[in-house]
Amino acid sequence: AQSVTQLGSHVSVSEGALVLLRCNYSSSVPPYLFWYVQYPNQGLQLLLKYTTGATLVKGINGFEAEFKKSETSFHLTKPSAHMSDAAEYFCAVSDNRKGYSTLTFGKGTMLLVSP
Amino acid sequence: DTGVSQDPRHKITKRGQNVTFRCDPISEHNRLYWYRQTLGQGPEFLTYFQNEAQLEKSRLLSDRFSAERPKGSFSTLEIQRTEQGDSAMYLCASSPPGGAGNTIYFGEGSWLTVV
Repeated sequence: AQSVTQLGSHVSVSEGALVLLRCNYSSSVPPYLFWYVQYPNQGLQLLLKYTTGATLVKGINGFEAEFKKSETSFHLTKPSAHMSDAAEYFCAVSDNRKGYSTLTFGKGTMLLVSP
Repeated sequence: DTGVSQDPRHKITKRGQNVTFRCDPISEHNRLYWYRQTLGQGPEFLTYFQNEAQLEKSRLLSDRFSAERPKGSFSTLEIQRTEQGDSAMYLCASSPPGGAGNTIYFGEGSWLTVV
């Protein structure tokens, strides 16, 4: 079975500060990893994903994440937070043994950005 | 470019009533998923369709829940004899043909409140 652990249900940063949202996964097979963002009362939007190849993945809105197999981690970072980044962020893992994806999500981390 | 569309966006129902949600996926996406999200939690997988075939159902999908995708286009999720524990956001998602690394696109969700 696969699982995702997101450390910290809430993370607070000041505008312009570094954003670091932590994600650790458990998977018995090489995983596919995703970060999604959810704004209030909306669905989820893909920020970035790792499937194969380069372990440093760049996504939308200046976010990036690095797949570290030895640490079973896929932390999300952004060099400089913007007020519009305030939202909930979900890390997810997919079982690549199937021919399709059924995502297993973490519980989410709410990012709060203060002026 | 239209995204995944869900209807209704909000539904309040009395315990014991039946409710039905509709999802229209992105055109040409043959894969369709239903997820459930409760407050403070990440989305949880409910069921997966490839074209009109329902290929996977989560153990979360009790016998009061039924999903269909006639003709491989739109999908419906029906909950019979609703219970207060069914209160959640029901998310529909779709993806194009391909492997487990394909991006899954989510709709804005249908909020269900059972009173």
